[in-house]
Amino acid sequence: EDQVTQSPEALRLQEGESSSLNCSYTVSGLRGLFWYRQDPGKGPEFLFTLYSAGEEKEKERLKATLTKKESFLHITAPKPEDSATYLCAVRSREGAQKLVFGQGTRLTINP
Amino acid sequence: SAVISQKPSRDICQRGTSLTIQCQVDSQVTMMFWYRQQPGQSLTLIATANQGSEATYESGFVIDKFPISRPNLTFSTLTVSNMSPEDSSIYLCSVAAGQGAYGYTFGSGTRLTVV
Repeated sequence: EDQVTQSPEALRLQEGESSSLNCSYTVSGLRGLFWYRQDPGKGPEFLFTLYSAGEEKEKERLKATLTKKESFLHITAPKPEDSATYLCAVRSREGAQKLVFGQGTRLTINP
Repeated sequence: SAVISQKPSRDICQRGTSLTIQCQVDSQVTMMFWYRQQPGQSLTLIATANQGSEATYESGFVIDKFPISRPNLTFSTLTVSNMSPEDSSIYLCSVAAGQGAYGYTFGSGTRLTVV
């Protein structure tokens, strides 16, 4: 059974203080690892898809990396508007189009 | 990527009643997905809806409780039947964008409270 575990559950940073969020996964044949941002009262907003170990993707202050067992979302010099819950999900060969989500990391950036 | 309109955005319902949630996409898509997000929890797939065929339900979800319609390639509905307070959740529809390479797009969700 595909499993995704995110850590930490919550993270509070000062503006400009860089950090990383972790997503550990167990999956039968990875067909994609996805990062989403979710603001309160809204649906998840797509950030990145990673497919193979060693792959990296960047968008503004965010950089996602992937190994065979985990993915990191690095946040460089965050701003208060980066505050949100960040969700990680995997799609596996066995799961067809199904996404299995982690519990998320609730990120708060204090000014 | 696709734009999804989901209605209603929120509702408060009496136990024992049913609520139908609508999901409209601005482009034709083969598959539409319905997820549930319980309070403080992450997203769990309820079912996958293909046009012209019965929906495929995940373990723990049954058609009698969550009937789904998919009349065409841009529209789907999810009904939450005979509701109880345990059904209080956010319900989201989703579609694949560009073969999944650009992720899966989500609607803004329906926040359901059952009293």
